[in-house]
Amino acid sequence: QKEVEQDPGPLSVPEGAIVSLNCTYSNSAFQYFMWYRQYSRKGPELLMYTYSSGNKEDGRFTAQVDKSSKYISLFIRDSQPSDSATYLCAMMDSSYKLIFGSGTRLLVRP
Amino acid sequence: EAGVAQSPRYKIIEKRQSVAFWCNPISGHATLYWYQQILGQGPKLLIQFQNNGVVDDSQLPKDRFSAERLKGVDSTLKIQPAKLEDSAVYLCASSPLRGADTQYFGPGTRLTVL
Repeated sequence: QKEVEQDPGPLSVPEGAIVSLNCTYSNSAFQYFMWYRQYSRKGPELLMYTYSSGNKEDGRFTAQVDKSSKYISLFIRDSQPSDSATYLCAMMDSSYKLIFGSGTRLLVRP
Repeated sequence: EAGVAQSPRYKIIEKRQSVAFWCNPISGHATLYWYQQILGQGPKLLIQFQNNGVVDDSQLPKDRFSAERLKGVDSTLKIQPAKLEDSAVYLCASSPLRGADTQYFGPGTRLTVL
């Protein structure tokens, strides 16, 4: 079993839709939870970072962490074609080693 | 602020050949990481440097991979000899400190081993 599981997609939605991206994990030692966005032929860029359980909102993006269920989510409101990318969840324990999910490809259709 | 620079961007080699990748981190960043990203997978940490010392190389295949960070700035990652399964994007990242929210990634080097 992988430490971090993520549906690879692709996920195709119309412009303006609400997008929900999810990851599950098995290691209860993870304390930090991140979402990265990766455009084709580019390096990942950090979108959201949360510590422990709860919600965090930044503009159109909301990150949720449920440590009791070992489940994290990223919601994108009013999705735009420019949001089309691969979204990687990543987690870190106290050693600060990042463990990535395999990524979900998102396509927002105009 | 300039980002993480990597070169070359693309490299094609035959199996059993050697190859080297170069990374220039963001100025002042103490921590440097090399990741391997195989197509359809997330990045996997190969090695982490703090200044010019190795912090974690537990997932580096040391029989064929080596890395160094001279003077705590630039870094090179070498593969010798390359195998077909080494085909991947090699990403370099840097951060000012060891922390949860501060890794900045370069564009990567796409390696194809034939």
